[in-house]
Amino acid sequence: DAKTTQPTSMDCAEGRAANLPCNHSTISGNEYVYWYRQIHSQGPQYIIHGLKNNETNEMASLIITEDRKSSTLILPHATLRDTAVYYCITERNAGNMLTFGGGTRLMVKP
Amino acid sequence: DAGITQSPRHKVTETGTPVTLRCHQTENHRYMYWYRQDPGHGLRLIHYSYGVKDTDKGEVSDGYSVSRSKTEDFLLTLESATSSQTSVYFCAISESRGLNEKLFFGSGTQLSVL
Repeated sequence: DAKTTQPTSMDCAEGRAANLPCNHSTISGNEYVYWYRQIHSQGPQYIIHGLKNNETNEMASLIITEDRKSSTLILPHATLRDTAVYYCITERNAGNMLTFGGGTRLMVKP
Repeated sequence: DAGITQSPRHKVTETGTPVTLRCHQTENHRYMYWYRQDPGHGLRLIHYSYGVKDTDKGEVSDGYSVSRSKTEDFLLTLESATSSQTSVYFCAISESRGLNEKLFFGSGTQLSVL
């Protein structure tokens, strides 16, 4: 079973905040939550990651619940260029590699 | 953007021919990876390298080999291409591995095997 659950798709109005949820109820105590995105025809792009505390960088903010069972990626002012598939990742395979699941397809609309 | 260059960007080849894809990095990162991406399967790891001449298999390594003779270059070879290897191939690099790593990806190579 997948270790993270994300909505298949979401829409957001340009200029508004995009809030992308992710459930990871079976996360282990030392597992980080990573967010990547993939714009059409490009390679995945690292956005942000965190363990327990909320994190912010120039691209986004990551809010992790106190019990660490879910998190939200926030794009504060979404633009059309933020249209992409967003991956929330906690799982690693047998070789300790991050495992990319299906992600959320975010469509930013004018 | 991380200095990762994949070549070629697009390639069409015939079944049974050998194909080599190249990944070149200018970041001096120790770890390099080859992934393939197919509809319905997401990103799957083919092979990775943890140093010059040090490589290991990923989850879908059958039919692929790799080589890393220099820190900056990681080559993926399909010895005898098959139609099932039609895919988009991504190279990635990371400075470290483990729970706090960050992956940086190249722009991809679209490979079509006819």
